[in-house]
Amino acid sequence: KAGVTQTPRYLIKTRGQQVTLSCSPISGHRSVSWYQQTPGQGLQFLFEYFSETQRNKGNFPGRFSGRQFSNSRSEMNVSTLELGDSALYLCASSVDRGNGNTIYFGEGSWLTVV
Amino acid sequence: GEDVEQSLFLSVREGDSSVINCTYTDSSSTYLYWYKQEPGAGLQLLTYIFSNMDMKQDQRLTVLLNKKDKHLSLRIADTQTGDSAIYFCAERPPNYGGSQGNLIFGKGTKLSVKP
Repeated sequence: KAGVTQTPRYLIKTRGQQVTLSCSPISGHRSVSWYQQTPGQGLQFLFEYFSETQRNKGNFPGRFSGRQFSNSRSEMNVSTLELGDSALYLCASSVDRGNGNTIYFGEGSWLTVV
Repeated sequence: GEDVEQSLFLSVREGDSSVINCTYTDSSSTYLYWYKQEPGAGLQLLTYIFSNMDMKQDQRLTVLLNKKDKHLSLRIADTQTGDSAIYFCAERPPNYGGSQGNLIFGKGTKLSVKP
């Protein structure tokens, strides 16, 4: 069974540009969430999607957005990139049973803003 | 507010046991997790424990939960050099609005294993 797949793995963007990151969850998983990891702030929750609807959102500016497709694949977008957006962006998926349990992460997308 | 705290570093000798500690602040958290991150990689789920359990053992890993003190620990028996990594503790707050994925992470404990 394939794990959580994130693309691209590495990318370099210029300030002011926008970027789109993609996440394919584990087959059968319907909940997808996104996290930002930086040396200073650690791991911070961005948002969570289930059945194409955003179910929860962290404390990030509106430049950060996401969406989920009918096949549960998800994308996140960051517009008007700033140097501080340089980070590892991690996607996680879970089955989403009522009592919840295992949440698996992908290898992440390394974003460098120059 | 919610905050998860861990010590930043731990150094052990190969073959010894490692104990990584974590404290969390939301007594309503339903699940508590341990993840491992190796350099340049994502997060690997090691184990998790439901909040109504005291202990969970999985091969070399033992998780202890003291809900009264909001203290979680991960013990790695017979630590190997391949266990060198950053270990993250995470709590999952109650299922508000159906949300499943909102984990709150500690800053991570860097485990160094000396041969």
